[in-house]
Amino acid sequence: NAGVTQTPKFQVLKTGQSMTLQCAQDMNHEYMSWYRQDPGMGLRLIHYSVGAGITDQGEVPNGYNVSRSTTEDFPLRLLSAAPSQTSVYFCASSYSTGGRGEQYFGPGTRLTVT
Amino acid sequence: GESVGLHLPTLSVQEGDNSIINCAYSNSASDYFIWYKQESGKGPQFIIDIRSNMDKRQGQRVTVLLNKTVKHLSLQIAATQPGDSAVYFCAENPRRVTGRRALTFGSGTRLQVQP
Repeated sequence: NAGVTQTPKFQVLKTGQSMTLQCAQDMNHEYMSWYRQDPGMGLRLIHYSVGAGITDQGEVPNGYNVSRSTTEDFPLRLLSAAPSQTSVYFCASSYSTGGRGEQYFGPGTRLTVT
Repeated sequence: GESVGLHLPTLSVQEGDNSIINCAYSNSASDYFIWYKQESGKGPQFIIDIRSNMDKRQGQRVTVLLNKTVKHLSLQIAATQPGDSAVYFCAENPRRVTGRRALTFGSGTRLQVQP
């Protein structure tokens, strides 16, 4: 199993550009989530999903959209990039849909917005 | 809002010693807690978790202690090794308050193991 994969690994955007961060998992997990991690800080939840067709907002959802059309994929869209969105983005998946239990994290996408 | 925090941002220990990483949580309604380890340039990895109906849980070389009276969580690592050098995060599930099926993470403690 590949586990949780994220693409791209690095990305540089100009202010106002849009892009999609890809996340896929092959463990048949119902629960998937997106976090951002700023330097010297913990992870903050952006959006999460407890199954295909179901998404919900986390702590910091503004400026980001998600969709969950399949169990395997959970893309994160930045609508109009801002310098404040410079961060490392992690996708995670879990068998448990209650926000408990082990979450498996991808390797991260390092995004810089200039 | 309520949050999970850590007392020590950096902890330096000698190889072979025991390490104790502390975490204070403010949401008394949280019923689930978890520790993650993050090595440089990688995503977090699960270490151990504990439910609020327990005071202690042991894993391989790690023990998590939960003191609900003072809202305190700790991670003990026995015989610390160089490979334990990383940032450690505690997280809680305050679903009863937030309604979200999600974790709230603390800001992390860096563990440095001196040879």
